[in-house]
Amino acid sequence: DAMVIQNPRYQVTQFGKPVTLSCSQTLNHNVMYWYQQKSSQAPKLLFHYYDKDFNNEADTPDNFQSRRPNTSFCFLDIRSPGLGDAAMYLCATRRDGTETQYFGPGTRLLVL
Amino acid sequence: AQSVTQPDIHITVSEGASLELRCNYSYGATPYLFWYVQSPGQGLQLLLKYFSGDTLVQGIKGFEAEFKRSQSSFNLRKPSVHWSDAAEYFCAVGGRNTGFQKLVFGTGTRLLVSP
Repeated sequence: DAMVIQNPRYQVTQFGKPVTLSCSQTLNHNVMYWYQQKSSQAPKLLFHYYDKDFNNEADTPDNFQSRRPNTSFCFLDIRSPGLGDAAMYLCATRRDGTETQYFGPGTRLLVL
Repeated sequence: AQSVTQPDIHITVSEGASLELRCNYSYGATPYLFWYVQSPGQGLQLLLKYFSGDTLVQGIKGFEAEFKRSQSSFNLRKPSVHWSDAAEYFCAVGGRNTGFQKLVFGTGTRLLVSP
C-alpha cells in the first residue's frame, strides 16, 4: 500500500544533542510537510517542500532545519534540542493540484 | 486570516449513542474542509473532506459531516458510537487562499466513550 512512513516512531535525545527525524513516502507526492504537535494541541506547520523548493513558516525557530534529497525522502533536523522541543513530529504529503494531505504515524521526540 | 474553532475540548458519549462534534471556521474564500482523527500516539487519519457539491459528506468508519455556509460550520456526526471511536478529532480548513499549501487546524476535541 502507498503510504507515508516515519522513522523512528520514538526518539530520545539529550538536551543540545542534534537529532534527525526521517520521513519517506511511496505516494510520489511532490509536496511534503513537517508539523510539530505538542501535547493536547493542534499540529503546527514548521515548513514544507514544494518539489525542491523549501518554504519556512515565519515563526519556525532557526533550530529547525529540513532536507529533501529526493522526492521520496524528507528529513527534519533539530540542531540543538531544548526541553520545549519535546513533541510529536508529523510528516504529511500532498499531490500538487489536489487538496488532501496524507499523514504519517509521527515520531514522538523526548528530550532529556 | 483563516481560523478553526472546535468549542468542545472533551466530549463523553455512551457507546451506541449518537455523536456530534462541532467545528466553526473563518475563511475568506471557498473553504476546503477536513476532519481528521488521531488515536493516542498515532498520526492523523483523514475521515472525510468537503470541497463542493452535496453539503452532506460521508466518510470512513460511519462518520458524516454537514457543511453549512450560513453558519460557517462543518459538524461531524455519527449515529452510533463504538468504543474504538475514542480518539482526538481535528477539524481543518484549507483552500485557494493558501494556494492549497497549508491547513489550519482546530485545537481538537477529545472523544471519550463510556460503556
